[in-house]
Amino acid sequence: GQQVMQIPQYQHVQEGEDFTTYCNSSTTLSNIQWYKQRPGGHPVFLIQLVKSGEVKKQKRLTFQFGEAKKNSSLHITATQTTDVGTYFCAGRPVSSGSARQLTFGSGTQLTVLP
Amino acid sequence: NAGVTQTPKFRILKIGQSMTLQCTQDMNHNYMYWYRQDPGMGLKLIYYSVGAGITDKGEVPNGYNVSRSTTEDFPLRLELAAPSQTSVYFCASSYSTGTSGGSYEQYFGPGTRLTVT
Repeated sequence: GQQVMQIPQYQHVQEGEDFTTYCNSSTTLSNIQWYKQRPGGHPVFLIQLVKSGEVKKQKRLTFQFGEAKKNSSLHITATQTTDVGTYFCAGRPVSSGSARQLTFGSGTQLTVLP
Repeated sequence: NAGVTQTPKFRILKIGQSMTLQCTQDMNHNYMYWYRQDPGMGLKLIYYSVGAGITDKGEVPNGYNVSRSTTEDFPLRLELAAPSQTSVYFCASSYSTGTSGGSYEQYFGPGTRLTVT
């Protein structure tokens, strides 16, 4: 079945440093979503990317969808303590027999040291 | 709007016991989902529903059952609890039209933390 891998699994940064997490799918995706989960909380939707090569920005966060629609990245500039949490990507494969399922990556847990 | 609500927040079960995890959404979403999240891991889809009366298996359905008699409610049933079902369970909902499937954002409930001993 489809697999979505995320690296790194953990990342510790000093406040003010940049952070990037990468998401790779074994199959071509029709779209990819990113979620953030604060410690002890539930996942919260951040953004969806649909087009090949698409880049979207939300303040200090930059999201990118690869040209082949099999990988994606999230980059945070000048991290703040409020960025702490686990970031998940979730993709829906083009060839999915069921068109409604998202496959979640294992997440990248970000710790920001003050 | 309360969004997606889940009860209970916490539960401890003995092996072999049964329970139902409740999930309700007030956003009139047609799609609903149940996920489990093991420590340090991502979300695994257990079951999902595309509308009242329609349910389908996800990636890890064994040991669970669901029903969807109304748009708002999507309970998850554990019949014979096992230690392997110790996890945090999240219910989610989304709105979708036509064949776009799950292409819209999912709204998650606060989760139910279940321990089976």
